[in-house]
Amino acid sequence: GESVGLHLPTLSVQEGDNSIINCAYSNSASDYFIWYKQESGKGPQFIIDIRSNMDKRQGQRVTVLLNKTVKHLSLQIAATQPGDSAVYFCAENEGGSYIPTFGRGTSLIVHP
Amino acid sequence: DSGVTQTPKHLITATGQRVTLRCSPRSGDLSVYWYQQSLDQGLQFLIQYYNGEERAKGNILERFSAQQFPDLHSELNLSSLELGDSALYFCASSVDGLNTEAFFGQGTRLTVV
Repeated sequence: GESVGLHLPTLSVQEGDNSIINCAYSNSASDYFIWYKQESGKGPQFIIDIRSNMDKRQGQRVTVLLNKTVKHLSLQIAATQPGDSAVYFCAENEGGSYIPTFGRGTSLIVHP
Repeated sequence: DSGVTQTPKHLITATGQRVTLRCSPRSGDLSVYWYQQSLDQGLQFLIQYYNGEERAKGNILERFSAQQFPDLHSELNLSSLELGDSALYFCASSVDGLNTEAFFGQGTRLTVV
């Protein structure tokens, strides 16, 4: 497959562990946040989103936490599986602008 | 499969040339977004169309242009290509153009030699 980036932060975990991927965003006016997963050779895939009026949102095996005070977003993946190995991007968007800003991404490597 | 189709998958061309990348959005989606992904810049938003009209512009060079046709497919035209234009170009689509749950295609890998 194709690599999506060099010099990305990398998180290595064992299968079955919980993973936490962090993201610092830059715009205090951003009110909508999205996590994407990008597997090698594929386009980004929507995982979960959260609006600024919430501080936590849960999906299937994933939880997103938002801390607006320190402009920090995290993605928690429970019971990480080898199929979770990918690059994870957070994106922020300011209401009405429709111009999402993507973070540089974190590479998650899950060891069987 | 996201339902967004991009062609071609790979493109190799020479500097100074012009290429056209094509995107067919998911059925029912009115909005199309174009992104550029390079190794050193990450995912950069280029431009968005909604129902045939340009809605938002990001870091798109003047040498690049796009349009969305009445059947909602979109084309990204890249001209006077430079080596630095080599990248993955992604198209995404969403129902309402509000960037909620946009679905990405598999991308076009452009290599300029």
